[in-house]
Amino acid sequence: AQSVTQLGSHVSVSEGALVLLRCNYSSSVPPYLFWYVQYPNQGLQLLLKYTSAATLVKGINGFEAEFKKSETSFHLTKPSAHMSDAAEYFCAFYSPNTGNQFYFGTGTSLTVIP
Amino acid sequence: KAGVTQTPRYLIKTRGQQVTLSCSPISGHRSVSWYQQTPGQGLQFLFEYFSETQRNKGNFPGRFSGRQFSNSRSEMNVSTLELGDSALYLCASSSLGADTQYFGPGTRLTVL
Repeated sequence: AQSVTQLGSHVSVSEGALVLLRCNYSSSVPPYLFWYVQYPNQGLQLLLKYTSAATLVKGINGFEAEFKKSETSFHLTKPSAHMSDAAEYFCAFYSPNTGNQFYFGTGTSLTVIP
Repeated sequence: KAGVTQTPRYLIKTRGQQVTLSCSPISGHRSVSWYQQTPGQGLQFLFEYFSETQRNKGNFPGRFSGRQFSNSRSEMNVSTLELGDSALYLCASSSLGADTQYFGPGTRLTVL
């Protein structure tokens, strides 16, 4: 079965520290991968997406993610956390084999400690 | 371009009632997907419409239905509401369905 898994439902970092949110996918063909962010009582906002053009993808707000086929991972990072980064983050997966359906991870709640 | 809009933003209903939610996609987008988001279950896919046809459907009971109009606007209907239907309902649009999904702000449904 093709899917995406987010490791760690809650992550806490200190302001200024590295942010690392983990996402692994399962797919028999190269997928499209996305990271979305959700602030309280809002919809999901696209942070970045991987579509095979480059393995290191830069997104908005200083976030980036690296596609590693050998590890089937697409982890999200940011060098220095800011208080405004506190939100829920979702990894999403799409592949041609999933019938035009997106699959979302269960989400990771990021807390930034001042 | 205007983003995805959803109306209403908040809704309070009682058990047994029915509700209709509306979603207007980004101009030019022909695919609209609906998701239910709850604290316990996360994001769950309801269905996707493309050019007025339901193309994909998640594992929800028949009480949940939808449709899409010729202008790509979509509605979702939930009949015989249950307490467990309380959730944030999110709509997302994309140009071809196999592309980036752009989300609306959601409709917060509370069933009493």
